[in-house]
Amino acid sequence: KQEVTQIPAALSVPEGENLVLNCSFTDSAIYNLQWFRQDPGKGLTSLLLIQSSQREQTSGRLNASLDKSSGRSTLYIAASQPGDSATYLCAVRQDSGYSTLTFGKGTMLLVSP
Amino acid sequence: ETGVTQTPRHLVMGMTNKKSLKCEQHLGHNAMYWYKQSAKKPLELMFVYSLEERVENNSVPSRFSPECPNSSHLFLHLHTLQPEDSALYLCASSQEDYQTTGELFFGEGSRLTVL
Repeated sequence: KQEVTQIPAALSVPEGENLVLNCSFTDSAIYNLQWFRQDPGKGLTSLLLIQSSQREQTSGRLNASLDKSSGRSTLYIAASQPGDSATYLCAVRQDSGYSTLTFGKGTMLLVSP
Repeated sequence: ETGVTQTPRHLVMGMTNKKSLKCEQHLGHNAMYWYKQSAKKPLELMFVYSLEERVENNSVPSRFSPECPNSSHLFLHLHTLQPEDSALYLCASSQEDYQTTGELFFGEGSRLTVL
């Protein structure tokens, strides 16, 4: 059974810092990996999706990498802003049938002005 | 405007009530999902519908009954719930075919409180 772990569970940084969020998974036979953002009491917003054949994806100040063989992914946020404060969730998909994602518990990020 | 719309956003019900959660997706996707998010636990997949046919029921109690009348609408009918069913219920959709990545898009969620 796939298990997804996100470290740290919470992170507090001053505005302007670059930061890295970590995600690890136990079964490396994945189809893709998706990073989401969740604001308090809201739904999930998709940030980046990395296919199993890819090493990284970039969107603006966000860069996600994938090392499938070691079961790890990182989300790099450059020049953090208070608006980046949210919970970031990592989810892995095992097969191509339909999106049965296994989620981590998330990293709660607080960026202070 | 989100591509996946959920109503109601908040619901309070007693243990003997019957209520329904509604989800509508405007993305033309062919698969829809219900997830449950409880405090301090990872999101849990409840049901998957592909082309209006249920393809997965993740050992969910029968007091939760899904319905997918067409590819754009998904309901979760609630009956005789327990206080531990209080959670955020999230609907999602994706396009599943050989040309797509199957990226999942979520609605804003329905916050359910069972008294």
